[in-house]
Amino acid sequence: NAGVTQTPKFRILKIGQSMTLQCTQDMNHNYMYWYRQDPGMGLKLIYYSVGAGITDKGEVPNGYNVSRSTTEDFPLRLELAAPSQTSVYFCASSPLGREAFFGQGTRLTVV
Amino acid sequence: AQSVTQPDIHITVSEGASLELRCNYSYGATPYLFWYVQSPGQGLQLLLKYFSGDTLVQGIKGFEAEFKRSQSSFNLRKPSVHWSDAAEYFCAVGAGNNDMRFGAGTRLTVKP
Repeated sequence: NAGVTQTPKFRILKIGQSMTLQCTQDMNHNYMYWYRQDPGMGLKLIYYSVGAGITDKGEVPNGYNVSRSTTEDFPLRLELAAPSQTSVYFCASSPLGREAFFGQGTRLTVV
Repeated sequence: AQSVTQPDIHITVSEGASLELRCNYSYGATPYLFWYVQSPGQGLQLLLKYFSGDTLVQGIKGFEAEFKRSQSSFNLRKPSVHWSDAAEYFCAVGAGNNDMRFGAGTRLTVKP
């Protein structure tokens, strides 16, 4: 049982480049989330989705976009990468919007 | 706004000693409460959760936590720490409205 799978695991981007972080889950969860984790700051919610076709902003959405065309997939798009987006990104899913199940993370460096 | 405070950034305990990690929250109602553990380079794994009912909850790996409404606390405990428990621990607060808030984390070091 794969759970939540994120790709890539590591990425280095140059300032101004764009990329998509992929996230897929095989648990048929309606709720999906994107968080970023910065040292000493815990996790901050970027975007979330309560089902296919429905997305909404979290606490720190600026510079990011998401889409949810299927229950399984919830990609996160970074447009015009900036050094402030250097972080570890976690995708998570939840059956009922309570406890979350996390992927392994994507470590992104913007130089 | 809801918030979560983990007062201890780093804790060191000896293997076999007891452990208590503190978590305080600020919220308008009784929230859902969680403890997650993160090993280096890994995602977060749910240790235990509290929604309602018995205020002492048992989790995986021998951990337990107690919800104290009067103190707005949800401290994590383990009677005897193992070297494999070294990790970072996060307390989280939510209300089922997709606004889960995480504490800054407590890094646990276990001395042999």
